[in-house]
Amino acid sequence: GQQVMQIPQYQHVQEGEDFTTYCNSSTTLSNIQWYKQRPGGHPVFLIQLVKSGEVKKQKRLTFQFGEAKKNSSLHITATQTTDVGTYFCAGRHKAAGNKLTFGGGTRVLVKP
Amino acid sequence: NAGVTQTPKFQVLKTGQSMTLQCAQDMNHEYMSWYRQDPGMGLRLIHYSVGAGITDQGEVPNGYNVSRSTTEDFPLRLLSAAPSQTSVYFCASSYSSRGSSYNSPLHFGNGTRLTVT
Repeated sequence: GQQVMQIPQYQHVQEGEDFTTYCNSSTTLSNIQWYKQRPGGHPVFLIQLVKSGEVKKQKRLTFQFGEAKKNSSLHITATQTTDVGTYFCAGRHKAAGNKLTFGGGTRVLVKP
Repeated sequence: NAGVTQTPKFQVLKTGQSMTLQCAQDMNHEYMSWYRQDPGMGLRLIHYSVGAGITDQGEVPNGYNVSRSTTEDFPLRLLSAAPSQTSVYFCASSYSSRGSSYNSPLHFGNGTRLTVT
């Protein structure tokens, strides 16, 4: 079936440092969405990328969609304790009737 | 608006018991879905519905049934609970985006934590 792989599974970050989480698909995606889930909470939509090579920013978060529309990344600068949580990418696969497939998530822990 | 409401928040079942997880949304969303979340597995789609009277299977449908008699409600039924169904279950809804490359974001409920012993 269609798969979306997300790395790393865990990310320990010193407060103030930057980090990146990556999302890779086995097939071309129609679009990709990113969600954040705080500990004990539910996933909350962050952003959607549709165009090849698209880059979007939300304050300290930068999202990129690859040129081939098979991969995406989320880069967080100057990590804060409020960034703690699990970040999921979710891709829609053209070849699978545009079904949404979630990656396994990157769990982010911030060391103060 | 309440958004997506799931009940119960917690549930403990014995193997073989049946139960229904409730999900209701008040946003007039056409699309509704059920996911299960297990450690390291992300969110896996169980069943989904693109409108009242229409349901379809997701990645992991075995052992679960759904129905969509109204736009607002999308209950998930466990027919005979098994320990492998111990998980956190999320209901999510969105506007339908048929034929568009842009897809409406999913709105998730607060989840139901289910333990099957």
